[in-house]
This record gives sequence, structure tokens and C-alpha cells, in this order.
Amino acid sequence: TQLLEQSPQFLSIQEGENLTVYCNSSSVFSSLQWYRQEPGEGPVLLVTVVTGGEVKKLKRLTFQFGDARKDSSLHITAAQPGDTGLYLCAGLNYGGSQGNLIFGKGTKLSVKP
Amino acid sequence: KAGVTQTPRYLIKTRGQQVTLSCSPISGHRSVSWYQQTPGQGLQFLFEYFSETQRNKGNFPGRFSGRQFSNSRSEMNVSTLELGDSALYLCASSLGGTHGTDTQYFGPGTRLTVL
Repeated sequence: TQLLEQSPQFLSIQEGENLTVYCNSSSVFSSLQWYRQEPGEGPVLLVTVVTGGEVKKLKRLTFQFGDARKDSSLHITAAQPGDTGLYLCAGLNYGGSQGNLIFGKGTKLSVKP
Repeated sequence: KAGVTQTPRYLIKTRGQQVTLSCSPISGHRSVSWYQQTPGQGLQFLFEYFSETQRNKGNFPGRFSGRQFSNSRSEMNVSTLELGDSALYLCASSLGGTHGTDTQYFGPGTRLTVL
């Protein structure tokens, strides 16, 4: 069974702080996606990283895919209350019994003003 | 463009009953996937339908089933409900490339509580 481990599970920080969320696996993935889910809503795709070592930036969010395509990180600079939500990573690997897209359990981020 | 809609948003059932959840995808999307989300297990893939055919299936018991209609709308059914079926059920639609390769757009989910 393929697993994606996310850490930390919970993170509570003050507005303006920086943070990093990690997504790790022993499996290689074709690509890796990051989602944000707000209460009462479904997850929304933030970014997809495809190439080992790839770095993508989305305003204050920086996403990195590990060289071996087994892990990824999400770094948020100067966090704001609007960043509050559940951050999910999902790895794409074809043909598994869990379906092609394997989700981590998420990191619940709370940014206090 | 209207997003993915799911009905009902909330549902309370008792053990042993069955339930049907509905999902209307974004217009033009032909793939609908269903997921179960719980605090303990996270988001787990149930199945995917494309052009009225089940294309992928996760690791759930046969009590969980689904179907897709010619207009791409989808329903999932859970029979003989158990307490552990309490969860947020999410559906996601996409254009229809190989599952997971196209951007999936999630609905708001149906919160099912089994008493």
C-alpha cells in the first residue's frame, strides 16, 4: 500500500510567520499535487509538480518536488489568516488499488491575526 | 461556469439503512470521482466513472457502489450503513484524461452521519 505522510498534522502560528509543510513517501510518484481545503468546501488544487527537483512559486507559497520524486514541501512566507485551511498533498501513480491519486491526511494550518 | 454540486449537503441515517448521494459535474466534464474523507484516514478514493463506465475502483467493500448517467451526473450508493461510514463524501469532476492527470474540481461534499 502506497502512503503519503504529511507533517506536521497541526500547525498554529501568528500572522507574519513563515512555515513549511512536508509530504513524504517511500514510493516514487509521476507527479505530486497540493490542495487547500477550507471548512465546508472541497479541496482546491494549488499546484502540480512533475519534474524531480522542480520548484514552483505561487505568490507567497513555494512548492518543491524532491529529486527522487518521493517527497515534496510547501513553504509559506509571511502567513496570513486567509492561508488558514487543510493542506493536502496527493501523489499520482498509475494502477494502484487505491486509485491513481494517493492523498496524504493533511496538515491543518491555523494563522492567527 | 457553475462548479460541482452535491446533494444533499447533510444527511443523518441509522445503521442498516442505505443512502444515495448525488453529484452534478461541471458542464463538459466526463469524469466523476468519489472520495471518502474522515479525520482518521484522510481522503480515500472510492471509484471513478467515465462515460457511464466505472474506470477505476478503490479498496472499499461492495456496499459502496455508484453509477453515472448519460449527462455525466453521478450517484453513489451505500447499503447497510455502518457507524464507520460516517464521513464527508466528496465528488470531483474532470475533463476525462487518465484519472489524476486532469485537474479535478471538487464539490463541497455531503456530510453523512450514521447513528
